[in-house]
Amino acid sequence: GAGVSQSPSNKVTEKGKDVELRCDPISGHTALYWYRQSLGQGLEFLIYFQGNSAPDKSGLPSDRFSAERTGGSVSTLTIQRTQQEDSAVYLCASSSAWSHISPRDNEQFFGPGTRLTVL
Amino acid sequence: QQQVKQSPQSLIVQKGGISIINCAYENTAFDYFPWYQQFPGKGPALLIAIRPDVSEKKEGRFTISFNKSAKQFSLHIMDSQPGDSATYFCAALRLTTSGTYKYIFGTGTRLKVLA
Repeated sequence: GAGVSQSPSNKVTEKGKDVELRCDPISGHTALYWYRQSLGQGLEFLIYFQGNSAPDKSGLPSDRFSAERTGGSVSTLTIQRTQQEDSAVYLCASSSAWSHISPRDNEQFFGPGTRLTVL
Repeated sequence: QQQVKQSPQSLIVQKGGISIINCAYENTAFDYFPWYQQFPGKGPALLIAIRPDVSEKKEGRFTISFNKSAKQFSLHIMDSQPGDSATYFCAALRLTTSGTYKYIFGTGTRLKVLA
């Protein structure tokens, strides 16, 4: 079946504009994660969805960042009033499990990411 | 602090050589340790993983060595090939108080295998 897809693959925007990044998880995956990967850096956790709710938003760097998930499927990450330091690759991952079934069942499958450049 | 420290930041290995990437953690509550491989322009993909009750796991040319007492684990790539050139991330999973698993990723190692 299809893997995790993200759109757009690349986004160039001007400082101060709002952007929306989309993630389509693997069908049936209940857990969805957003990460940010800056050039040469590791994966910075942003937010985690369990179904449509977000029990862990601890990684969102500021109130300019928000995310939603509707219908337990597609998720949108919105960055308002973008800043140059927001430039990064934004990765989405999904997982079939979200509880303590087994850590292996919580394997995350990543999308290709959206490269955001804020000029 | 929930951290996983990864080293080296970058690594250059000759074709046929052994690539070794190390990770260390602080929280003993972690109970699963996967390694991810990421090629340029792609998302990370699971390569191999180990549970803390096992000291070593081997899959093909890839081996994870796990030292529970030292809180360290490492990835060994035997007979490294140019196609192995990628960024490698270690990770650790822990069960949160809400009953879900949370990933903590290392900072990544950029591996280049010379032909």
